Amino acid sequence: GEDVEQSLFLSVREGDSSVINCTYTDSSSTYLYWYKQEPGAGLQLLTYIFSNMDMKQDQRLTVLLNKKDKHLSLRIADTQTGDSAIYFCAESIEAGTALIFGKGTTLSVSS
Amino acid sequence: GAVVSQHPSWVICKSGTSVKIECRSLDFQATTMFWYRQFPKKSLMLMATSNEGSKATYEQGVEKDKFLINHASLTLSTLTVTSAHPEDSSFYICSALDIFLSKKQETQYFGPGTRLLVL
Repeated sequence: GEDVEQSLFLSVREGDSSVINCTYTDSSSTYLYWYKQEPGAGLQLLTYIFSNMDMKQDQRLTVLLNKKDKHLSLRIADTQTGDSAIYFCAESIEAGTALIFGKGTTLSVSS
Repeated sequence: GAVVSQHPSWVICKSGTSVKIECRSLDFQATTMFWYRQFPKKSLMLMATSNEGSKATYEQGVEKDKFLINHASLTLSTLTVTSAHPEDSSFYICSALDIFLSKKQETQYFGPGTRLLVL
């Protein structure tokens, strides 16, 4: 079956890098996403990666994909207090279909 | 950018009443919208796929008679929680696909969510 796993909590100091990890089980997943959810708010798409890519960088965000191990990570460089939120990893088999989400990782950034 | 709105943003109701939640795509057309439910400290779970002009497709374990979905236009889908009970209290989030860009991975736009509390 389909399953997406994430660690539940991560605590870092302001200015450090944060790495949030995710594993998925469906080898047919084509697109993998990272969403951010701030308290009481909806989901904000941070970035996504196509399954034939190994890495994608977008400003402070770096996504690494190890398709063999079905492992996805999100690195946030120079983490700021405003980055404190829940980060969801999600997968889909094709564009335009419903997403399968992990349980989310709560990132806490202390100053 | 594309915007999806939900109304209301939060609602408190008595047990046994029905609650309607609207999901609107504000600046694009959406033939497909998805309804998700999020429990506290839990992931988002897909409830149903709403298709304009046809019946919704429900995920296993979701009661279609309890969660009525209507997608009457290309910009509006509604979710009605009928005879709500405290266990229906949750955060409901919709997403919409832009029909002109549906084959691109970044075109699923999420609404801000509706928090439902049933007393």
